[in-house]
Amino acid sequence: QSALTQPPSASGSPGQSVTISCTGTSSDVGGYDYVSWYQKHPDKAPKLVIYAVNKRPSGVPDRFSGSKSGNTASLTVSGLQVEDEADYFCSSYAGSNNWGVFGGGTKLTVL
Amino acid sequence: EVKLVESGGGLVQPGRSLTLSCAASGFTFDDYAMHWVRQGPGKGLEWVSGIGWNSAGKGYADSVKGRFTISRDNAKKSLYLQMNSLRADDTALYYCVKDGIYGSGTYYYLDSWGQGTTVIVSS
Repeated sequence: QSALTQPPSASGSPGQSVTISCTGTSSDVGGYDYVSWYQKHPDKAPKLVIYAVNKRPSGVPDRFSGSKSGNTASLTVSGLQVEDEADYFCSSYAGSNNWGVFGGGTKLTVL
Repeated sequence: EVKLVESGGGLVQPGRSLTLSCAASGFTFDDYAMHWVRQGPGKGLEWVSGIGWNSAGKGYADSVKGRFTISRDNAKKSLYLQMNSLRADDTALYYCVKDGIYGSGTYYYLDSWGQGTTVIVSS
């Protein structure tokens, strides 16, 4: 059960777009359309921002979007705002043995 | 409003046991799978364990398999995590989390999180 691979950091200026990748295998990301993304601010509980690869929960701005190609999923944040600065974690269903797996997290800095 | 309140964390010596509890409200508890997710100091999120709506299915991360046991009491709207043979690397903030799919028997996505309870394993 290996963690999904995310870049440790990403950055962008207000108004710009940034994309964070999440690479797994055919046993997790590539095998199922249950990739989700979570935003975590310091000392706060994580918040779901994308589920089922590209669906947004109600209340999440449409600046957040998700996609998947093969074993790699991506989260794009458009029109960056200062409040988007946070850690972002991807996750995927990983089969009947291990159920869930997370990526190592990406720290997004809004310059 | 979904509310998940964890309890039971604390300081425990290596090799000892601890049981975490989670009290749920604001949704029909027995319609959803539930999970425990942890975050160690300076580390990322780690899915620990999950249980289906009717307890028929249970899953564990390799790192806790054989040491942790998840359970639920739908009548009490409560989720539990029995942790045995605790190790230093189990030190973390443990979150109780609701799955997002109605009737879920496994892991889909995590749409509501508690604030967490801290477990510190140290002599």
